[in-house]
Amino acid sequence: EVQLLESGGGLVQPGGSLRLSCAASGFIFSNYAMSWVRQAPGKGLEWVSSISGTGGNTFYADSVKGRFTISRDNAKNTLYLQVNSLRADDTAVYYCAKGWSSFPLDSWGQGTLVTVSS
Amino acid sequence: QSAPTQPRSVSGSPGQSVTISCTGTSSDVGGYNYLSWYQHHPGKAPKLMIFDVNKRPSGVPDRFSGSKSGNTASLTISGLQGEDEADYYCCSYAGSSTVVFGGGTKVTVL
Repeated sequence: EVQLLESGGGLVQPGGSLRLSCAASGFIFSNYAMSWVRQAPGKGLEWVSSISGTGGNTFYADSVKGRFTISRDNAKNTLYLQVNSLRADDTAVYYCAKGWSSFPLDSWGQGTLVTVSS
Repeated sequence: QSAPTQPRSVSGSPGQSVTISCTGTSSDVGGYNYLSWYQHHPGKAPKLMIFDVNKRPSGVPDRFSGSKSGNTASLTISGLQGEDEADYYCCSYAGSSTVVFGGGTKVTVL
């Protein structure tokens, strides 16, 4: 059974940083591209970033480009999202998901909440 | 890149059918057959219901079906059940390894 478990969220001041993690199990992690999707309070789902299975290719939504960095450690079966220069509108539940691009997001985690506030 | 348009809400009685539309552009919905639908119960993990326009993952009831015509995709839920009450999002490939989600539709079972 595929399991994805996010962690690392919390309360951070504007301009601050966090590193989100997603621990994966139940599949050969290095074989699959992964993505981050977020949902702001009262809003819909928004694609944030994706990374290939090897980590050699990364893609970002315009809203986070230059501030967020996606990465992965295939030895640890873990996906990361480094979020910098946080703004109030980055407040959201951040989900990791298995899949990317033209491939569907076929498994999702429960999410981790990031709150940006002074 | 703007989000495909979905109705904010649809409703139906148990046993009825409801259809959710997802209208985009030729750069996303109309340009590719990589269109998926996700069910999201608040506080839970989203769940893939339909992929590649009209394919169902294993375990998804055949009450859920998808279609597409031009720049508009549709999700139909037949034989509506109480457990189907949730938010539903379409998601389209938009080129250059990016995807775009629709605004979401709340399905209410009366």
